[in-house]
Amino acid sequence: GAVVSQHPSRVICKSGTSVKIECRSLDFQATTMFWYRQFPKQSLMLMATSNEGSKATYEQGVEKDKFLINHASLTLSTLTVTSAHPEDSSFYICSARDTGETEAFFGQGTRLTVV
Amino acid sequence: LAKTTQPISMDSYEGQEVNITCSHNNIATNDYITWYQQFPSQGPRFIIQGYKTKVTNEVASLFIPADRKSSTLSLPRVSLSDTAVYYCLVAPPLTDSWGKLQFGAGTQVVVTP
Repeated sequence: GAVVSQHPSRVICKSGTSVKIECRSLDFQATTMFWYRQFPKQSLMLMATSNEGSKATYEQGVEKDKFLINHASLTLSTLTVTSAHPEDSSFYICSARDTGETEAFFGQGTRLTVV
Repeated sequence: LAKTTQPISMDSYEGQEVNITCSHNNIATNDYITWYQQFPSQGPRFIIQGYKTKVTNEVASLFIPADRKSSTLSLPRVSLSDTAVYYCLVAPPLTDSWGKLQFGAGTQVVVTP
């Protein structure tokens, strides 16, 4: 099946700094990618839809100025957590769908710890 | 998107068959049923997908009754490595919104020796 890769797999940053997470579709082009957040013992929560060449669409309650999404190419979407705080510590996961395929493929996730 | 309901947890012993039933009473005509598996600190992994009747692959079977208001994921002869959270999702594939998946709580399956 198709492969979606995230980088880094884990990152620790200081409060107030920004962190960028990359999501790449390795063997297909994805005009749309999705970003999720998952807190311990909880399910995945959709944060936003990343659209190549246009603005991302954010779910209700997700601050677009804090979670900056850029989808500059058909194989890369980035999520930047700006001015990170300890409460932003979470597991961030991206997904993408190959055109014509009926399943979504997920990255391996990024564990963000803000100290 | 149709809401799904699954048991919170299920326990099993190695070698047994595990059946997880998911309710999706409001499933739409063009919705497919998809199951994902998630291990701790990993992204979800696709297991199986179906529309009606029965689907089988190398890891699982999916049973869908005629009314499609529920589905059952069957894991044959589970091993310790099958301990994971299993998510049932219902969504219309091949549409612009496909991939925008709303995850429920999932079912934590614990397999013991």
